[in-house]
Amino acid sequence: AQSVTQLDSQVPVFEEAPVELRCNYSSSVSVYLFWYVQYPNQGLQLLLKYLSGSTLVESINGFEAEFNKSQTSFHLRKPSVHISDTAEYFCAVSGYDYKLSFGAGTTVTVRA
Amino acid sequence: GAGVSQSPSNKVTEKGKDVELRCDPISGHTALYWYRQRLGQGLEFLIYFQGNSAPDKSGLPSDRFSAERTGESVSTLTIQRTQQEDSAVYLCASSLVGSREETQYFGPGTRLLVL
Repeated sequence: AQSVTQLDSQVPVFEEAPVELRCNYSSSVSVYLFWYVQYPNQGLQLLLKYLSGSTLVESINGFEAEFNKSQTSFHLRKPSVHISDTAEYFCAVSGYDYKLSFGAGTTVTVRA
Repeated sequence: GAGVSQSPSNKVTEKGKDVELRCDPISGHTALYWYRQRLGQGLEFLIYFQGNSAPDKSGLPSDRFSAERTGESVSTLTIQRTQQEDSAVYLCASSLVGSREETQYFGPGTRLLVL
């Protein structure tokens, strides 16, 4: 079985400032890693995922995450946030099968 | 194309009543998942359907919970004799074939409140 810990439940940030959302996982098998985002009044949608290859993965809207196997982490970063990035972000892991294990989520609130 | 849809969007019920939650997956997706999200917690896996295979019910929290799926289309999650601890958002997701590297596409959820 695998588990996911998101270390910050709330992250307030000013517009154009950088943000980092931390995610650590534990698993006895190799994993695939995902970040999902839930904008206000919308459903969960995939932001980015790591399957294999380069440990740095990017999304189309400027987020990036780096898989660090030795630290069992998959932290999400954005160098400059916008008001529209206000949302709840979930880190998720799939282990030996299709079941996703999710962290508790991090709420990012971007202020002008 | 249309995404995953769920109904109702909100449901308020009294303790002890039965409820039915519906999920319409993306057309052509053979895999369907149900998750539950309690307040302040991450999503927890409930049940998985893939084509005509036997469903994986390993996440259902008690025998009051059951789910069905008609072929590769609509799924219904039923909670019998609801309890207050069943209050949560119930999310449905679908994916093309159900492999572990696939993106799961989520519906908007059904917010269930048991009084």
